[in-house]
Amino acid sequence: AQSVTQLDSHVSVSEGTPVLLRCNYSSSYSPSLFWYVQHPNKGLQLLLKYTSAATLVKGINGFEAEFKKSETSFHLTKPSAHMSDAAEYFCVVTMNSGGYQKVTFGTGTKLQVIP
Amino acid sequence: DTGVSQDPRHKITKRGQNVTFRCDPISEHNRLYWYRQTLGQGPEFLTYFQNEAQLEKSRLLSDRFSAERPKGSFSTLEIQRTEQGDSAMYLCASSLARSSYNSPLHFGNGTRLTVT
Repeated sequence: AQSVTQLDSHVSVSEGTPVLLRCNYSSSYSPSLFWYVQHPNKGLQLLLKYTSAATLVKGINGFEAEFKKSETSFHLTKPSAHMSDAAEYFCVVTMNSGGYQKVTFGTGTKLQVIP
Repeated sequence: DTGVSQDPRHKITKRGQNVTFRCDPISEHNRLYWYRQTLGQGPEFLTYFQNEAQLEKSRLLSDRFSAERPKGSFSTLEIQRTEQGDSAMYLCASSLARSSYNSPLHFGNGTRLTVT
């Protein structure tokens, strides 16, 4: 069984300040973890992925995430928020089981960037 | 553009009508997923194909919903006798299956359905 918890449904930051979006997961086996961003009326765009290589993962648009197995966390960070970062962010865990890829989404975090 | 393509982008229909959506995945991807997303919610899994085989269907997928992926290429999602509760964004995603690697899902821009 696997699950994903995004601890904050809304996060508000000022432009130019750091962003932290929190994600905790549970999985019976070694999972792969992803962060996606969704702008209004758009599909989901892959920001970054962790697939058992380096634990600090760099993604697009200056985002990065660190896989911490001991804390079962995969928090998304960015040093300095930009207005264009305002969107909804989803943490996703996947696991291969018997040739089937089980995909579980978090409930999403809406990021507001204040000018 | 070699991403996932969905058609149409928007569909407005009257209650009781049938609608069909199409998804063209990234060409080498053998897995294809359909999700439904309502306003303010995350994507809800509907169904999943590996090549042409439909491997899983959610309990959300009532008998009014049917999906196909003939020849393991494009996929269609049909909703019969639409209801107002079917109004949502329908998202398609594809990925590449490898035995030791969890390929990320690549999403299309979705089809927004409005049932009046």
